[in-house]
Amino acid sequence: GQNIDQPTEMTATEGAIVQINCTYQTSGFNGLFWYQQHAGEAPTFLSYNVLDGLEEKGRFSSFLSRSKGYSYLLLKELQMKDSASYLCAVKKSSNALNFGKGTSLLVTP
Amino acid sequence: DAGVIQSPRHEVTEMGQEVTLRCKLISGHNSLFWYRQTMMRGLELLIYFNNNVPIDDSGMPEDRFSAKMPNASFSTLKIQPSEPRDSAVYFCASSRLGTEGTQYFGPGTRLLVL
Repeated sequence: GQNIDQPTEMTATEGAIVQINCTYQTSGFNGLFWYQQHAGEAPTFLSYNVLDGLEEKGRFSSFLSRSKGYSYLLLKELQMKDSASYLCAVKKSSNALNFGKGTSLLVTP
Repeated sequence: DAGVIQSPRHEVTEMGQEVTLRCKLISGHNSLFWYRQTMMRGLELLIYFNNNVPIDDSGMPEDRFSAKMPNASFSTLKIQPSEPRDSAVYFCASSRLGTEGTQYFGPGTRLLVL
């Protein structure tokens, strides 16, 4: 089975940097994915990591350590529109995704 | 190109009634995923298909739930009989074979069972 843990809520200030952590325990691992979900909307794909290290994509970066079962999503130069839920997901051996419960990020002025 | 299309967008029904949710994949995609999202349990995978074949149905709650892909671009999720605990947002997502982690979600169906 799989167990994915991420903080329930975080608050950060506009213009700042925030790091959202995700830890996982899995019996099969094919990649770690991050999705963004605004309130009342569908999740949208942000990034993925298959190998250890940092993947940068504009203001967003994602890091993976497979040996530690750990990932984080780094958001720089926060904007009000970044207020959303951020879902960490592990790709299983079947290639399906197992999602964490999400971290609700509130960006304040 | 049109994204994933789901219908209905909202459904209110009474306990015991049959509910059918529909999903149309993005053209060229051949993997289809059904999810259920609630505050308590988060986003849960119910079932996923590759090329119309069910690959992982470990998340289907019980026999009351069934999913089909009658053709390569369309799927249904049926709940019969429905119960109040089935109230949730049901998402359908699609992806290309080989890139199953990069999924495109439909807008969801908000189901309320009274």
